[in-house]
Amino acid sequence: NAGVTQTPKFRILKIGQSMTLQCTQDMNHNYMYWYRQDPGMGLKLIYYSVGAGITDKGEVPNGYNVSRSTTEDFPLRLELAAPSQTSVYFCASSSGGVDTQYFGPGTRLTVL
Amino acid sequence: AQSVTQLDSQVPVFEEAPVELRCNYSSSVSVYLFWYVQYPNQGLQLLLKYLSGSTLVKGINGFEAEFNKSQTSFHLRKPSVHISDTAEYFCAVMSRGYKLSFGAGTTVTVRA
Repeated sequence: NAGVTQTPKFRILKIGQSMTLQCTQDMNHNYMYWYRQDPGMGLKLIYYSVGAGITDKGEVPNGYNVSRSTTEDFPLRLELAAPSQTSVYFCASSSGGVDTQYFGPGTRLTVL
Repeated sequence: AQSVTQLDSQVPVFEEAPVELRCNYSSSVSVYLFWYVQYPNQGLQLLLKYLSGSTLVKGINGFEAEFNKSQTSFHLRKPSVHISDTAEYFCAVMSRGYKLSFGAGTTVTVRA
């Protein structure tokens, strides 16, 4: 049982490039989340999903897109990378409601 | 909308000494409260949570927290810390919509 896995661990992008951050969970959780963590700012919710085919915006969705075609996978897409998107990105999953959210190890992204 | 304030950004403490991390929240509705820990270069993991019932909540690794509704606080304590408790600690609030709002974090550094 691997829990929540994220790839890649590190990535450097040039301004204007695009990339997809991968997230997979093997706990059969319906709910999945993407957060970004900036120094001294805590975590901010980017997007979340309550099940396959259903996604919704969080607090900071601009510049990102998501899809949820399966229960296991919840990729996050950056279309035109900007320096403001330099951050650490965490994916999480849960059974929903007040159940514990389980976090992946994170992807450290730098946009130059 | 709710917000979370962690009153200390950095807490240095000696090994075997007690530690208290302060967390206040603002919300006009009932909330659920969480403490997460992030060890260096890892994702977040749940320490403890308050959903209802007893206001004193015990978590993993000897941590406990007390919910105080009148003071809108959820402070985290440990009577005797170890070097391995060096980490960043996040307080989080969940209310309507079951989305987490995180505080900015408190970095705990335990010294021998």
